[in-house]
Amino acid sequence: EDKVVQSPLSLVVHEGDTVTLNCSYEVTNFRSLLWYKQEKKAPTFLFMLTSSGIEKKSGRLSSILDKKELFSILNITATQTGDSAIYLCAVHKGVTGNTPLVFGKGTRLSVIA
Amino acid sequence: DTGVSQNPRHKITKRGQNVTFRCDPISEHNRLYWYRQTLGQGPEFLTYFQNEAQLEKSRLLSDRFSAERPKGSFSTLEIQRTEQGDSAMYLCASSSDRGRGEKLFFGSGTQLSVL
Repeated sequence: EDKVVQSPLSLVVHEGDTVTLNCSYEVTNFRSLLWYKQEKKAPTFLFMLTSSGIEKKSGRLSSILDKKELFSILNITATQTGDSAIYLCAVHKGVTGNTPLVFGKGTRLSVIA
Repeated sequence: DTGVSQNPRHKITKRGQNVTFRCDPISEHNRLYWYRQTLGQGPEFLTYFQNEAQLEKSRLLSDRFSAERPKGSFSTLEIQRTEQGDSAMYLCASSSDRGRGEKLFFGSGTQLSVL
C-alpha cells in the first residue's frame, strides 16, 4: 500500500528560527512529490520535485528530493508568524499525470513571536 | 478570480439527511478531484474525473456517496443518509492535462457537520 509519512506531526518554534520538515514515501511508480501549505482551508501549492538533488527555492522556503532514499525535506529559514500553517507532502505516481495525489498527514507548524 | 470554487462553505445537517456539494473547477482544467480531510489528517482521495468520465473511486467512497460531472465542467458530490462519521472537510481540486499534469489547485472546501 502507498504510504507518505511526514515528521514531525507538529512543531512550535520562535520567530527567526530555521525549521526542517520531513517527508518519506513508499509508492509504486513514483512520478513526483509536491509540497502544499494549508493555512485555513485551501492547500496552496509550494513546490513540485521530480529529480533528485535539485533544490527548489522560493524566498525563505526551499525543498529537495532524494529518490534513492525516498524522502524530501522542506526548509524554512528566518521563520515568521505568517509561516504558521499545516505543511502537506503529497506524492504522484504512475506513468502519466492522471492519478490522484497521495497525501501525508501533514506537519502543523506554529511560529510564535 | 478564476480559482476553484466550492459551495456551500459550511453545511450542518442531521443524521440521515442527504447533502449535496458543488465544485466549479478552474475553467480550462479538465481533471477534477474530490478529497476528504478530517482533523489531524491529510486529504484522503475520494474520486476523480477526467472531463465527464469518472476514472477512479476510492474504497472510502461507500455506496452512499455519488459524484457526477455531467458536462465536464462543474461537479457535485452527494452523500445520502449521512452519518456522524461523514463529518469532515470536503475538498475539490482541479488540474490540467497539459504538461505533467500533477499540480492540483484546491478550493476552500465544504465543512460538513452531521449532528
